[in-house]
Amino acid sequence: GEDVEQSLFLSVREGDSSVINCTYTDSSSTYLYWYKQEPGAGLQLLTYIFSNMDMKQDQRLTVLLNKKDKHLSLRIADTQTGDSAIYFCAPGGTGKLIFGQGTTLQVKP
Amino acid sequence: DTAVSQTPKYLVTQMGNDKSIKCEQNLGHDTMYWYKQDSKKFLKIMFSYNNKELIINETVPNRFSPKSPDKAHLNLHINSLELGDSAVYFCASSSWRSGTGYTFGSGTRLTVV
Repeated sequence: GEDVEQSLFLSVREGDSSVINCTYTDSSSTYLYWYKQEPGAGLQLLTYIFSNMDMKQDQRLTVLLNKKDKHLSLRIADTQTGDSAIYFCAPGGTGKLIFGQGTTLQVKP
Repeated sequence: DTAVSQTPKYLVTQMGNDKSIKCEQNLGHDTMYWYKQDSKKFLKIMFSYNNKELIINETVPNRFSPKSPDKAHLNLHINSLELGDSAVYFCASSSWRSGTGYTFGSGTRLTVV
C-alpha cells in the first residue's frame, strides 16, 4: 500500500535554515502537500506542489520535488521559534491524502 | 467563521460505552473525512464521504460507523469503546480532486478509561 516516511526529529537554531525530507511510494500523486501541526491543534496547510513541478517558493518556504526518486523536501529559511511544530508531508492521489508520522521541528533560541 | 468544527473537543468515557463525535463544515466542500492520530502522531484515514456517499472505508473495526446526513456534516459513532480507541480524531473536508488540500478541524481527544 501507500507509504510515507519522514525522519522523526529535527533540531535547529533560530535563524538557521531547516530542511525536512519526505519519501513516498504512491507515484500517482497529483498534488503533494505540507501540513503543520502545533501542539493541541489541527493540521494547517502550509504549501503544496503540483506533480509536474520541481520547485515552488512561497515566502520563507521552498518545496523541492524529485518525482523520479519520490522525494519531497520542505526548506524553511530563517527558522523562528514559532516554527516549532510537527510537519507532515502528504502525497495526494486516488482521492485521499496519505500521512506519515511527521517530523517534529525543534527551534532553539 | 468559515471552518471545520468538531464537537466535543475532549471526550473521556468508560470502556464499553457508545459515543459520537460530530463534524460540520461551512466551506461548501463536497467531501469529508475522518482521520485517527495515535500517540505516536501517526495519522491514518478512516472514512471519506463525497456528496453523502461513502467512498473510502479503510480497515477499521465495524464498531466505528460514520454517518453523513448532508454534505456539510459527517458524524462518527463508536460502539463498545475499547482502551485502544483512545486517540485524537480529526475531521477534514475538501473539494473533490480540486487540489486545494484538506481543511482540518481542531480534533477530538478521546480517552477511554
